[in-house]
Amino acid sequence: QQQVKQSPQSLIVQKGGISIINCAYENTAFDYFPWYQQFPGKGPALLIAIRPDVSEKKEGRFTISFNKSAKQFSLHIMDSQPGDSATYFCAASIRDGGFKTIFGAGTRLFVKA
Amino acid sequence: DTAVSQTPKYLVTQMGNDKSIKCEQNLGHDTMYWYKQDSKKFLKIMFSYNNKELIINETVPNRFSPKSPDKAHLNLHINSLELGDSAVYFCASSPRRGYTDTQYFGPGTRLTVL
Repeated sequence: QQQVKQSPQSLIVQKGGISIINCAYENTAFDYFPWYQQFPGKGPALLIAIRPDVSEKKEGRFTISFNKSAKQFSLHIMDSQPGDSATYFCAASIRDGGFKTIFGAGTRLFVKA
Repeated sequence: DTAVSQTPKYLVTQMGNDKSIKCEQNLGHDTMYWYKQDSKKFLKIMFSYNNKELIINETVPNRFSPKSPDKAHLNLHINSLELGDSAVYFCASSPRRGYTDTQYFGPGTRLTVL
């Protein structure tokens, strides 16, 4: 119940295209859904996050769409650029003693120039 | 200037040895974490401390022992290292306990057990 399923595992997109990564969860107690971006040799860094009372959040070229009833959320990267090539992790957070974040398995995005 | 720092960046050691990884954050955060990232990039929480108090302890072997001398430091000691311990270990911190806040990750320590 504390899993977060992420797809696809890898994604190749042309420069200027739209990258879409999907995630699904089971536990309705999750109350915060961040996306992290990780470049090779670096630690993950927060990209954008959403709470379940909001259906969409946009920051620049990055948009999270959230479907509470379906327990699904997705990241859209508009006008994808080669510099966006990285691994993207969706995550879900829950208060479980402390504050615990469960990460999806990650999506390796490659944007072709 | 580094917000969350870890040492060492690389650690190569033999099976059966004991090793430590150090983490420090200068963000003034109350909560710190250890994560393990395996070869498939899967990121899993191991421990979480808030103000030196252990608040999350996932099903991690007893060979792993975190220590927090103060709220800015969280070290990870690993006894009797095994091949399966090879991974990248990330330290992270966040501002508040029990609050869904951003986690700030360190650069990682790549542990290789031979």
